[in-house]
Amino acid sequence: DAEITQSPRHKITETGRQVTLACHQTWNHNNMFWYRQDLGHGLRLIHYSYGVQDTNKGEVSDGYSVSRSNTEDLPLTLESAASSQTSVYFCASSESHPGQAAFNEQFFGPGTRLTVL
Amino acid sequence: AQKVTQAQTEISVVEKEDVTLDCVYETRDTTYYLFWYKQPPSGELVFLIRRNSFDEQNEISGRYSWNFQKSTSSFNFTITASQVVDSAVYFCALSDPLEYGNKLVFGAGTILRVKS
Repeated sequence: DAEITQSPRHKITETGRQVTLACHQTWNHNNMFWYRQDLGHGLRLIHYSYGVQDTNKGEVSDGYSVSRSNTEDLPLTLESAASSQTSVYFCASSESHPGQAAFNEQFFGPGTRLTVL
Repeated sequence: AQKVTQAQTEISVVEKEDVTLDCVYETRDTTYYLFWYKQPPSGELVFLIRRNSFDEQNEISGRYSWNFQKSTSSFNFTITASQVVDSAVYFCALSDPLEYGNKLVFGAGTILRVKS
């Protein structure tokens, strides 16, 4: 069965360290997204990609970067982790069809809980 | 700018009660899509429903029903005869159709606690 996985599921790191969160999907979806979930804010979009070599900034992109070298993976990198980046991170993917751009639901990974000390 | 408001931060009900979760959205687009997701205590996000702006028919799926009203920009979610397993965080989300692919704008979520 197709799925979307994230690793690690839990991560504790120190302020200033570089951290990479992995996201891998076997749906063969073109669209991939990274969100962070914080109490009182719901999920907020960090970065997104509509295909290989395409990346775009979301609402809360400062301090984060992504790269898309293949269809399956969209790793999220925190260049220099800060305590404000302690959060739960969700990766998602969706199909894309011309003319039905916003129609397709996003499938979410299980989440990564990141703690920055 | 798009915005989704879920004014109810937390709701507690007793099993078998009906409960309605409110969602109010803002968008300048005439074509848009609305979603509800459920996040149970295990943490994953589960898709519940998708509705496009041209379809105002209410939808019912078992104990779940959704009331979409463009006149009030609302997309409310009702659980009939609630059960303990309905305890979760529920998110309403809005999608912008003007871009290729889709981005979701989420509300802050409503925590639903169903007590036995």
